[in-house]
Amino acid sequence: DGGITQSPKYLFRKEGQNVTLSCEQNLNHDAMYWYRQDPGQGLRLIYYSQIVNDFQKGDIAEGYSVSREKKESFPLTVTSAQKNPTAFYLCASARQGGTGELFFGEGSRLTVL
Amino acid sequence: KQEVTQIPAALSVPEGENLVLNCSFTDSAIYNLQWFRQDPGKGLTSLLLIQSSQREQTSGRLNASLDKSSGRSTLYIAASQPGDSATYLCAVRPGTGANNLFFGTGTRLTVIP
Repeated sequence: DGGITQSPKYLFRKEGQNVTLSCEQNLNHDAMYWYRQDPGQGLRLIYYSQIVNDFQKGDIAEGYSVSREKKESFPLTVTSAQKNPTAFYLCASARQGGTGELFFGEGSRLTVL
Repeated sequence: KQEVTQIPAALSVPEGENLVLNCSFTDSAIYNLQWFRQDPGKGLTSLLLIQSSQREQTSGRLNASLDKSSGRSTLYIAASQPGDSATYLCAVRPGTGANNLFFGTGTRLTVIP
């Protein structure tokens, strides 16, 4: 089955530690995205990538980093510089051109202790 | 900047009732609008996507309409069921086809058996 796989589903981190969230898709989509979701707020874009080895900052990129070495993979690192990292993180992908329909993974919940 | 609003934030209806969820946006220059469903602790599931040139889309008991001139979209759910209970979000892609979608904060729907 085609889809987007995020791991881990739950992650606990101590303050000062970097953590990496995994996102893999087998939909052959060119574009991939990372969103953050907080209670009472709409989804906010962290980073997106339209092609391998290229990515752009979204609205809230500070304290985060990404890489896009393979078409299928778009990992997100939450660094110690992110001041309020506890949140629900969602990865998405879309085919370039066409309808632009966005598909999401199941999400990763990060809690900083 | 595009702003997307969904009112009400929460809605409870008895099973079997037909209902309408609302989504409004401030900039009518959109590329498309997408409706999603989100269950607690899960990712977003795409329900319907309406291109800017379309007036409505249908899938089963769901019908989404789009009125760009008034900056509104509605999601109609016919014969609601308890399994429809979830949060429904709409998202607007700007008219340039840009990658940063603008999300509403969602309407939490509860269908009472």
